[in-house]
Amino acid sequence: EVQLLDSGGGLVQPGGSLRLSCAASGFTFSSYAMNWVRQAPGKGLEWVSVISGSGGTTYYAGSVKGRFTISRDNSKNTLYLQMNSLRAEDTAVYYCAKEGSGGGGDTFDIWGQGTMVTVSS
Amino acid sequence: QLFLTQSPSASASLGASVKLTCTLSRGHNNYAIAWHQQQPEKGPRYLMKLNSDGSHSKGDGIPDRFSGSSSGAERYLTISSLQSEDEADYYCQTWDTGIRVFGGGTKLTVL
Repeated sequence: EVQLLDSGGGLVQPGGSLRLSCAASGFTFSSYAMNWVRQAPGKGLEWVSVISGSGGTTYYAGSVKGRFTISRDNSKNTLYLQMNSLRAEDTAVYYCAKEGSGGGGDTFDIWGQGTMVTVSS
Repeated sequence: QLFLTQSPSASASLGASVKLTCTLSRGHNNYAIAWHQQQPEKGPRYLMKLNSDGSHSKGDGIPDRFSGSSSGAERYLTISSLQSEDEADYYCQTWDTGIRVFGGGTKLTVL
């Protein structure tokens, strides 16, 4: 079964850091680009970042550029999101999502269940 | 600039059909999109990929009641024989080099 399992969310103070993980199974992880998408409470979906299947290419939304880092370990079939200098407006459910291709852009055809990040003092 | 526009809300009666619209920004008429469903208190679920010519491919287990079509910059999701579990938020999504984009979502109410 193709599956993504998000983890690592929690409560963190403003200015703090957190690392999210997404464990993949059921498909050849290294062949597909992976994304992080977030959803603030009561709001719509917001794309955060994408990494190519090889890990060699990454892109970020302007709202997180310079603060967040996406990475992957293809030997462990795991995607990561290192979040630094967190702000209240980063409070959201964070989802990992698999793309339908290796890096040129495609549909998000598999979603994780999400992990909640709350930034508050 | 690439962006997607969706109406905030729609409604239709149980057993009826509804057509949701997603509009691509100017100059992007030939872009494919995806439709995703998010039921209350759940994560998103992929419904289908919809090309500019109207051809579409659905995700695993998506019922035949869900179909897609295209016209110019408009991308449509039609849901027929509406059921109570179709009450959800529906998002369109597209992509380009270095960017992934979501529409604002349409909240569908089944009356």
